[in-house]
Amino acid sequence: AQSVTQLGSHVSVSEGALVLLRCNYSSSVPPYLFWYVQYPNQGLQLLLKYTSAATLVKGINGFEAEFKKSETSFHLTKPSAHMSDAAEYFCAVTFTGGGNKLTFGTGTQLKVEL
Amino acid sequence: EAGVAQSPRYKIIEKRQSVAFWCNPISGHATLYWYQQILGQGPKLLIQFQNNGVVDDSQLPKDRFSAERLKGVDSTLKIQPAKLEDSAVYLCASSLQRTGVDEQYFGPGTRLTVT
Repeated sequence: AQSVTQLGSHVSVSEGALVLLRCNYSSSVPPYLFWYVQYPNQGLQLLLKYTSAATLVKGINGFEAEFKKSETSFHLTKPSAHMSDAAEYFCAVTFTGGGNKLTFGTGTQLKVEL
Repeated sequence: EAGVAQSPRYKIIEKRQSVAFWCNPISGHATLYWYQQILGQGPKLLIQFQNNGVVDDSQLPKDRFSAERLKGVDSTLKIQPAKLEDSAVYLCASSLQRTGVDEQYFGPGTRLTVT
């Protein structure tokens, strides 16, 4: 079975500071990994995905994530936080032949302060 | 392109009552998903349809939850009777297919409060 663990249910950064949201996965087969963002009272929006091509994945809004097999990690980063980045972020995993079924982490609430 | 539509956006009911949610996926998307998102948790897949057939309902509490996707387009999810622990946001998503890693597009969700 696949799973993801997101360390830190709440992360607070200053505007302009580095954003780092952590995700570790567990999978017995090569995984596909995703980061989604959820703004208040809205559905989830895909930020980026890893599908076994390049290990450094660039997404929307300046976010990127690096797949590290040795560390079973897929951390999300952004060099400079903006107030509009305040939202909840979810890491998710699936695998080839998994029928496109996603298993989500518990989420990290990002707060951006002036 | 229109996104995934859901209604109602909010619903408050008393326990033991019944409730239904509606979802209209993106046109042409063969696969439709219903997720339950309890406060403080990530979304959990309840049921997945491919066209009008169920491909996975292993996490659907079938004693009280039911879902259908007649004609392979829009879908309804029903809870009868509702329990307090059913309070959650119910998200509908759709994807073009269910092969590989087709992107899932999410609707805004229906927030259910059971009192």
